[in-house]
Amino acid sequence: LAKTTQPISMDSYEGQEVNITCSHNNIATNDYITWYQQFPSQGPRFIIQGYKTKVTNEVASLFIPADRKSSTLSLPRVSLSDTAVYYCLVGDLRGFQKLVFGTGTRLLVSP
Amino acid sequence: DVKVTQSSRYLVKRTGEKVFLECVQDMDHENMFWYRQDPGLGLRLIYFSYDVKMKEKGDIPEGYSVSREKKERFSLILESASTNQTSMYLCASSFGRGQLLKQYFGPGTRLTVT
Repeated sequence: LAKTTQPISMDSYEGQEVNITCSHNNIATNDYITWYQQFPSQGPRFIIQGYKTKVTNEVASLFIPADRKSSTLSLPRVSLSDTAVYYCLVGDLRGFQKLVFGTGTRLLVSP
Repeated sequence: DVKVTQSSRYLVKRTGEKVFLECVQDMDHENMFWYRQDPGLGLRLIYFSYDVKMKEKGDIPEGYSVSREKKERFSLILESASTNQTSMYLCASSFGRGQLLKQYFGPGTRLTVT
């Protein structure tokens, strides 16, 4: 069961790039890494998922080093609307193992 | 767009009451999940279901049960509500095997037990 650790909070300004790191030292061979975004009074929303190296979509990039013991969510040029809590989730895509979300990182973007 | 709806946004119940939380998804997803979210603890999995009438315990199943009689509907039952079950409850769904981690969440139900 991969436990994840994230910073509790981060601050940034509009237009900056933000990198949020998640540690998952005991990640298993079949585990994938997934990130979610949650706004107040809403459920989390899937952002990106990856297994190794780098994954990019229209919203973010996910960097995963070779040892896969950590991962970094990168948000390019953040805006005020990116203020949210970001969760890292590590688990097997197919296995019915217990899915554990981290406690999340609260990102505050200021003007 | 996938839509996951939950029966109530806010609910207030008394200690000892039986509480039903309903969740419905409209995308024919096989997997459905119930989480609770508490400050400082993140999301914790209570139960999940990978098919009709099938269920698996998550991290914190004590005090809860679930029912999945139809593919689109997953119910969370608090047999005898207690104050420590005051929380935000989130339902989620995902496609079949191979898509456990890409989940679609409902808006949540904030339950207060007095």
